[in-house]
Amino acid sequence: NAGVTQTPKFQVLKTGQSMTLQCAQDMNHEYMSWYRQDPGMGLRLIHYSVGAGITDQGEVPNGYNVSRSTTEDFPLRLLSAAPSQTSVYFCAIRQGYEQYFGPGTRLTVT
Amino acid sequence: GQQLNQSPQSMFIQEGEDVSMNCTSSSIFNTWLWYKQDPGEGPVLLIALYKAGELTSNGRLTAQFGITRKDSFLNISASIPSDVGIYFCAGRILNFGNEKLTFGTGTRLTIIP
Repeated sequence: NAGVTQTPKFQVLKTGQSMTLQCAQDMNHEYMSWYRQDPGMGLRLIHYSVGAGITDQGEVPNGYNVSRSTTEDFPLRLLSAAPSQTSVYFCAIRQGYEQYFGPGTRLTVT
Repeated sequence: GQQLNQSPQSMFIQEGEDVSMNCTSSSIFNTWLWYKQDPGEGPVLLIALYKAGELTSNGRLTAQFGITRKDSFLNISASIPSDVGIYFCAGRILNFGNEKLTFGTGTRLTIIP
């Protein structure tokens, strides 16, 4: 997974709870991003970062916050989880023109 | 948001058969990427294509960047059981310094015993 680690691997939340999905990389990649994967939808970009201190919204940012205080870490925060956020979440780094994905976090919101 | 049209959605083949899948778009892309995803894992990059008309191989896999820059094809020859999984295409566009990667909806490959 190109040195990308994600925790936790599985998580169940109740509606309204908050949590942070962790993503870390140890290869000094500047570009990191978060995607969600839903059945029949492919992967959709939530937020991305081109370097420490710089973040921007992707295609489906609502309900999610990110920050990038270090090059290594790019956490994704759900402020008030909703059932519509049940999905598999992937963190990715970019190396050249190619993106490499972490192993994913499967999130269920009940 | 934009999605690529990837077909077929699913394929049921016998071991040893060749496989073909493709992605089409109404937009032009600078780069095409093909990924494979196994159950419970993240997508793994198989092949990257950078120029219109480019044909690139990776073992039994061959992919092509369409000359119109709006499509790409992936072929797998002599399929084996470990080829089972979901294959995704992704098109990359770089516009005024902003990169956008758009994914297809996937082709699920199943091998019938």
